[in-house]
Amino acid sequence: EAGVTQSPTHLIKTRGQQATLRCSPISGHTSVYWYQQALGLGLQFLLWYDEGEERNRGNFPPRFSGRQFPNYSSELNVNALELEDSALYLCASSLGLAAYNEQFFGPGTRLTVL
Amino acid sequence: DAKTTQPPSMDCAEGRAANLPCNHSTISGNEYVYWYRQIHSQGPQYIIHGLKNNETNEMASLIITEDRKSSTLILPHATLRDTAVYYCIVRMNNAGNMLTFGGGTRLMVKP
Repeated sequence: EAGVTQSPTHLIKTRGQQATLRCSPISGHTSVYWYQQALGLGLQFLLWYDEGEERNRGNFPPRFSGRQFPNYSSELNVNALELEDSALYLCASSLGLAAYNEQFFGPGTRLTVL
Repeated sequence: DAKTTQPPSMDCAEGRAANLPCNHSTISGNEYVYWYRQIHSQGPQYIIHGLKNNETNEMASLIITEDRKSSTLILPHATLRDTAVYYCIVRMNNAGNMLTFGGGTRLMVKP
């Protein structure tokens, strides 16, 4: 069974540009979560999508946005990139809304903002 | 979600059991205890979770105290590949399903 996949593996952008990160969940999983892990910091929750809707959002500015497609894959968009957006962005998926459903993580996209 | 407290780092000899403690004294009745680990620069890996009973799977055992205020993750025979940051997380049923990661414990397994 294929795990959570993310693309690209690495992404280099300059300040002010936009970045688009993609995630494909495990087959059968309807929930997708996005987390940010900046260097030296812990994982911070960004966004949660289930059945195409945004269900919850972490403490991040509106320039972090995303969407979930009918096939449950997801995109994370970061507009007006800032240097401090450089981080490992992790996507996770789970079976759905039940709190006890464990989340399975992808390998991440490393975003570098110059 | 309840706050968790873990030691920042621990060492363990290869082949020995690694016992990683976690305090969660403010845990409420409907919160689960989850453990994940993150090997350097990879995505976190789910290990195990429980509500109040001890749990065991092919990776580890989870021992939760009777009052549920603390728990211990046990890796029965640690290998060098178990070197990672281990995160203990407690999670409410209605907390938006996101995981709240603290600082974790950096486990170093030594030969």
